[in-house]
Amino acid sequence: DVKVTQSSRYLVKRTGEKVFLECVQDMDHENMFWYRQDPGLGLRLIYFSYDVKMKEKGDIPEGYSVSREKKERFSLILESASTNQTSMYLCASSPPGGITPYGYTFGSGTRLTVV
Amino acid sequence: DAKTTQPTSMDCAEGRAANLPCNHSTISGNEYVYWYRQIHSQGPQYIIHGLKNNETNEMASLIITEDRKSSTLILPHATLRDTAVYYCIVRGRNAGNMLTFGGGTRLMVKP
Repeated sequence: DVKVTQSSRYLVKRTGEKVFLECVQDMDHENMFWYRQDPGLGLRLIYFSYDVKMKEKGDIPEGYSVSREKKERFSLILESASTNQTSMYLCASSPPGGITPYGYTFGSGTRLTVV
Repeated sequence: DAKTTQPTSMDCAEGRAANLPCNHSTISGNEYVYWYRQIHSQGPQYIIHGLKNNETNEMASLIITEDRKSSTLILPHATLRDTAVYYCIVRGRNAGNMLTFGGGTRLMVKP
């Protein structure tokens, strides 16, 4: 079974901490994405990557950065966590173009609470 | 990408067909219709997609109207495990590879 694995299911961090959210996919996909999901706001794209060492800003990149040193791993970094970054974070991957029998594959999500 | 309109919520009896509508009246010729669902506390799951022909797979059927301005996702025999939020998404093949999720339809399957 193809998989997108997010390293943590739940995280609690303190305000001001540097936070790393890790995502690994085993499908050799070129494209990887980070979304956040909040009640009433749906899923919003933070950053995405088309290839190793390549990144593009999504709709809400402020306060975040990303790293893609290897094809299978895409990390989301909160440089200095704030309470308004408390959210569910979802990682996804897809082949180029995204038109595949399986579409986009999402991880199970990381629920981050910043206190 | 074309915007979509879906009902906020729907109920369906277990074992019956669930028909989830989606309006995408501004869809353009090269845009596909995707359906995803999200079960509580999990990531979205791909269900099906189509361009203009009706499509069927092991999970569902997708019926797209001839003018492509609307579509219906059909779960032929809904089970309690189909309770989820269902998202209808329209995007072009080369639209930056991004999916834009709207509010979706919260489907409640009841015994």
